Amino acid sequence: AQSVTQLDSQVPVFEEAPVELRCNYSSSVSVYLFWYVQYPNQGLQLLLKYLSGSTLVESINGFEAEFNKSQTSFHLRKPSVHISDTAEYFCAVSDRTNAGKSTFGDGTTLTVKP
Amino acid sequence: NAGVMQNPRHLVRRRGQEARLRCSPMKGHSHVYWYRQLPEEGLKFMVYLQKENIIDESGMPKERFSAEFPKEGPSILRIQQVVRGDSAAYFCASSTGQGGADTQYFGPGTRLTVL
Repeated sequence: AQSVTQLDSQVPVFEEAPVELRCNYSSSVSVYLFWYVQYPNQGLQLLLKYLSGSTLVESINGFEAEFNKSQTSFHLRKPSVHISDTAEYFCAVSDRTNAGKSTFGDGTTLTVKP
Repeated sequence: NAGVMQNPRHLVRRRGQEARLRCSPMKGHSHVYWYRQLPEEGLKFMVYLQKENIIDESGMPKERFSAEFPKEGPSILRIQQVVRGDSAAYFCASSTGQGGADTQYFGPGTRLTVL
């Protein structure tokens, strides 16, 4: 079984400031790791994912996340946020050995203020 | 290339009625997942289906809920005798079924309100 903990439910920041959204997971097996973004009244969109290889993964819109196996973390960062980054962000894991379901954290609401 | 389609987007039911939620996966995807999102919470896995097969239904409530993905047509999540606690957003995702690394593409969700 897996579980995902997103340590902050709300993160308010000012435009152009850096941000970090924290995610820790626990699992008895190896997992894949994902970050999704959800804009109001929409479905989830994949932001980035870690499957293997380099522990630092990047998205096309400036976000990056680093897999830290020893700390079982997959924190999401962006050096300079925009108003348009305001959304809810979900961290998720899926079992490497068992196709199918993902386990999601409860989400972090990022609010970027002008 | 159409994404995952869900309908209706909003559904209002009275207690005791039935709710039917539909999901059409992306073209070429044969695997469908259903998740439920309660207010202020993350998504909770309900069921994972392949065409004509239920692969994993470990997240489905034991009673009143059922899901199918027939050979032809959309996947259906059916909730019988709805109660107020069923009010939530229900999301469907689809994938090509390559295992845990496979990207799941999400639909816009159906928001169920039970009066």
